Amino acid sequence: EAGVVQSPRYKIIEKKQPVAFWCNPISGHNTLYWYLQNLGQGPELLIRYENEEAVDDSQLPKDRFSAERLKGVDSTLKIQPAELGDSAVYLCASSLVAGARTGELFFGEGSRLTVL
Amino acid sequence: AQSVTQLGSHVSVSEGALVLLRCNYSSSVPPYLFWYVQYPNQGLQLLLKYTSAATLVKGINGFEAEFKKSETSFHLTKPSAHMSDAAEYFCAVSAGGTASKLTFGTGTRLQVTL
Repeated sequence: EAGVVQSPRYKIIEKKQPVAFWCNPISGHNTLYWYLQNLGQGPELLIRYENEEAVDDSQLPKDRFSAERLKGVDSTLKIQPAELGDSAVYLCASSLVAGARTGELFFGEGSRLTVL
Repeated sequence: AQSVTQLGSHVSVSEGALVLLRCNYSSSVPPYLFWYVQYPNQGLQLLLKYTSAATLVKGINGFEAEFKKSETSFHLTKPSAHMSDAAEYFCAVSAGGTASKLTFGTGTRLQVTL
């Protein structure tokens, strides 16, 4: 069974440039999460989707960050424009609906962003 | 509000020695507690979880954790460390119920030496 797939794995951009990350969850997983992981920190939730609906985006900085999950399958997270402080690892995770209650998430390998 | 505190950002043990990674939680409702492991250049994977059943939880690779409500702790242990256990370990709490989100600790990097 394929796991959560993220791309790109690494991205280096200059500040003020846009960047997008893509995530394909495990087949059949209704719930999709984007987490931010700063160096030396634990993951922090940015947004959670149930199917195509964003049910928790309270931690997403909406002035520069946007996300979409068209058709309730894969998802894209965009930053425009990127700032130096956005350098981090962006993690995507998915779970079955029940997993959303019990916390059993399946993570991708992450997309490491470096903003110069 | 919910939170977890992991004591010690780095822990070093000798191969064959006991592994003890500490986690204390705060939650206003009965919590679900988790340990995730992140090997180098890999995604996080679930090691074990407590969801209000048995207080001693066994996970993969010989790890186990005990939920102690009186101490608000969920420490992770393994009797004998192996080189392959070297990784970053994250404790996480979910306030149970529906539509809750995981709150992760800052992680503990485990180093295993010969």
